[in-house]
Amino acid sequence: SQQGEEDPQALSIQEGENATMNCSYKTSINNLQWYRQNSGRGLVHLILIRSNEREKHSGRLRVTLDTSKKSSSLLITASRAADTASYFCATDGWNNYQLIWGAGTKLIIKP
Amino acid sequence: SQTIHQWPATLVQPVGSPLSLECTVEGTSNPNLYWYRQAAGRGLQLLFYSVGIGQISSEVPQNLSASRPQDRQFILSSKKLLLSDSGFYLCAWKAPQNEKLFFGSGTQLSVL
Repeated sequence: SQQGEEDPQALSIQEGENATMNCSYKTSINNLQWYRQNSGRGLVHLILIRSNEREKHSGRLRVTLDTSKKSSSLLITASRAADTASYFCATDGWNNYQLIWGAGTKLIIKP
Repeated sequence: SQTIHQWPATLVQPVGSPLSLECTVEGTSNPNLYWYRQAAGRGLQLLFYSVGIGQISSEVPQNLSASRPQDRQFILSSKKLLLSDSGFYLCAWKAPQNEKLFFGSGTQLSVL
């Protein structure tokens, strides 16, 4: 079952603007991860945020986590055409072996 | 450094034919290994995972099977493909003590 739900399903913005994607989940988590997938390729890990963290930065990426609302957001600042991809959130599942995935947000950066 | 290899990149198979997709990992030992399927424009569906040689856990009942004959080799198979088996198949690995997944480049399977 899919625990993570990304919002919006698709987002189209101009190059240079900021892009914000949201992820909601249903059960308690130890951590939440964000991945990027270019069309027809495998996923690439972007950032992991633990349940005791509220915000994390990596380059132009900023991730927030609100465990009381069971939600996370991924902000990409100063977007570039190369940021065009699908973005997925994933939460740790009931054991240490599995991740639970959302359906993803398709981001299009218009030049 | 660790790398993951998945092949082939593209495969077109007739209904009823067998399937064998292979995935190998280099530069690490005793990885957790995963097979996912992704429908077009959708999220990932976990098919199988393995925490050791010969140890396979199946998440979705189907006509697919998986095997792990060696520590860093994971194979996805089918004896007779169905139209519904079409999709993008992804292999992934992670270290047992880590949370981060590393993905292969994927196999686009079209069953006709």
